[in-house]
Amino acid sequence: QSALTQPASVSGSPGQSITISCSGTSSDVGGYNYVSWYQQHPGKAPKLMIYEVSNRPSGVPDRFSGSKSGNTASLTISGLQPEDEADYYCSSQRGSSTLYVFGTGTKVSVL
Amino acid sequence: QVQLVESGGGVVLPGRSLRLSCTASGFTFSSYDIHWVRQAPGKGLEWVGVIWYDGSQKYYTDSVKGRFTISRDNSKDTLYLQINSLRAEDTAVYYCARDYPTARAKDYWGQGTLVTVSS
Repeated sequence: QSALTQPASVSGSPGQSITISCSGTSSDVGGYNYVSWYQQHPGKAPKLMIYEVSNRPSGVPDRFSGSKSGNTASLTISGLQPEDEADYYCSSQRGSSTLYVFGTGTKVSVL
Repeated sequence: QVQLVESGGGVVLPGRSLRLSCTASGFTFSSYDIHWVRQAPGKGLEWVGVIWYDGSQKYYTDSVKGRFTISRDNSKDTLYLQINSLRAEDTAVYYCARDYPTARAKDYWGQGTLVTVSS
């Protein structure tokens, strides 16, 4: 029951765009359109940013966008803001006895 | 507004048991599936399990099957996580999270409760 693979860290300057990848298999990311992304600031609970690959909940800025190609999903933050500095986790439904899996997490730094 | 509040964490000896609670407000608790997710200190998120809105189905990650039991009391708007035979590797912040219907996502989270397993 291994986690989805994300880069440990990604950084960018204010106003730039960054992309975080989330690599899985055909049994999770590639097999379902149920990929979600969560933002977590230090000491806080996670916050849903993207669901069903590319949908944004109400209140999430439109600079956050999601996509998927094959077994890899991606989260793009356009026009990076200082408040975007946080940890980001992807998650997917999995076709196994473990229904859901999270990614390893990516620390986003705003330089 | 939607709120989830976890309680019951603390320092526990290895091998002992603990019951965590998650009290909901601001929505119709009995209409939603609810998840438990944990996060070991300095580590990533790990899905623990889920219980359906009516308690009829429960699913767990493989590593906790047989030791963890999720239950709910819809009359009290409360979710529970019973943890038996605690191990050092169970040390984590435990979050409850509401399921986003049809989207297989978690749209509201509690603030978490810390469980520390140590002798």
